[in-house]
This record gives sequence, structure tokens and C-alpha cells, in this order.
Amino acid sequence: GDSVTQTEGQVALSEEDFLTIHCNYSASGYPTLFWYVQYPGEGPQLLFRASRDKEKGSSRGFEATYDKGTTSFHLRKASVQESDSAVYYCALSVNTGNYKYVFGAGTRLKVIA
Amino acid sequence: EAAVTQSPRNKVAVTGGKVTLSCNQTNNHNNMYWYRQDTGHGLRLIHYSYGAGSTEKGDIPDGYKASRPSQENFSLILELATPSQTSVYFCASGDAFYEQYFGPGTRLTVL
Repeated sequence: GDSVTQTEGQVALSEEDFLTIHCNYSASGYPTLFWYVQYPGEGPQLLFRASRDKEKGSSRGFEATYDKGTTSFHLRKASVQESDSAVYYCALSVNTGNYKYVFGAGTRLKVIA
Repeated sequence: EAAVTQSPRNKVAVTGGKVTLSCNQTNNHNNMYWYRQDTGHGLRLIHYSYGAGSTEKGDIPDGYKASRPSQENFSLILELATPSQTSVYFCASGDAFYEQYFGPGTRLTVL
């Protein structure tokens, strides 16, 4: 079935460290891929999305590239700040007759000043 | 102003009681969703709707009912609440393949 796997459940970094959160997906069709961010006490909000192979999504210094060959959409940021501390969700949507929206389990990022 | 609102924001219920969580959206989206969020499980889909009058089961519908009386409103109903339903519940609206817009969440505690 359609699924999203985020490898890291929790990540702890110092400010200015490089961030990678791994996201791999399995989909029966050609999915659109998303990264959402959830700050404490709030609902998730879209960070960015990508709809086709090799498309790069980016926002607020975060970026990810849609890779159909490796079925991946890894989130990266060159230099994290304490304000980036949040939960990050990878997600996909795909049309399989009825469209389906699937979220990964989330990755909690803690950045220490 | 917020496009997806939820009420109540916090709720304490007793086991066996009936709980109704309400969601209102001003985005004019056809689709609305109810999720629960628990540590280690991320967001899990309970029910969703394609429009007024429609409700569909998500991945974990047992113990929950949903109602979509209008384009703007989508309710989640726990007829007989149990402690295992203690969680944070999020409502969202969206269209087809595109982004979902989430409400601020409702923290439910069932004693």
C-alpha cells in the first residue's frame, strides 16, 4: 500500500549544524510529496511540496528534491537555528481512483543554542 | 484570521460519556479530515469527507463517528469515550492533491 517512512524519530543538533531528515515513500501511482512543520501548540503547516521527478521544493532555508528513482524526498538545511525546533512530517498524496493522503510518523527536531 | 477552527480546545470527559469535537473551515474546501496525534504514531486519519453529507472511514475509525452537515462544518463524535481515546485531535481541510490546512488541535482527556 501507499506509505511514507521517516527514518529518524528524533534529532538533536547544535545551532549552525547541517540537518538531514530522511523520507522514503511507496506509492501505487505518481505521488505529490510534501514536508510539513509543526511548532509546539500548533497544527502542522505546509513547508513546501514537489510534484514531479527531480523537482526541488524549498522554503525558509529548507529544501528537498523529489527522487523517483530512489523513492526519496529527504529534508535538508545547511545551518539550523534554535527556532527550527519542531516536528517535521513527510507526506504524500496520490490518486488511486480515490485520492489518498499519507503522513509519515514525524521527526522531532531539537536544536540547542 | 484562522481559516480552520476547532472547539473545544481542551476537553476532559468521563469513560462512557459522549464527546463531540467540532471543526469549522472558511477555506471553501471540499475535503475535510480528522486526525489524532500520539507520540510515536504521528498523524493517523480517523475519518474524512468529500463534501456536505459525505463521510468516509480513514485508517483508525473504530470508536468514532463523523458528521458533515455543511461545507464548513465537520464533527467527530465519540459515542462511548474510553481512556484509549485520550489524544490530541486535529481537523484539516484541503482540496484533492494539494496542501491540507490544519486547525490548532483539541486536547482530549478521557478519565
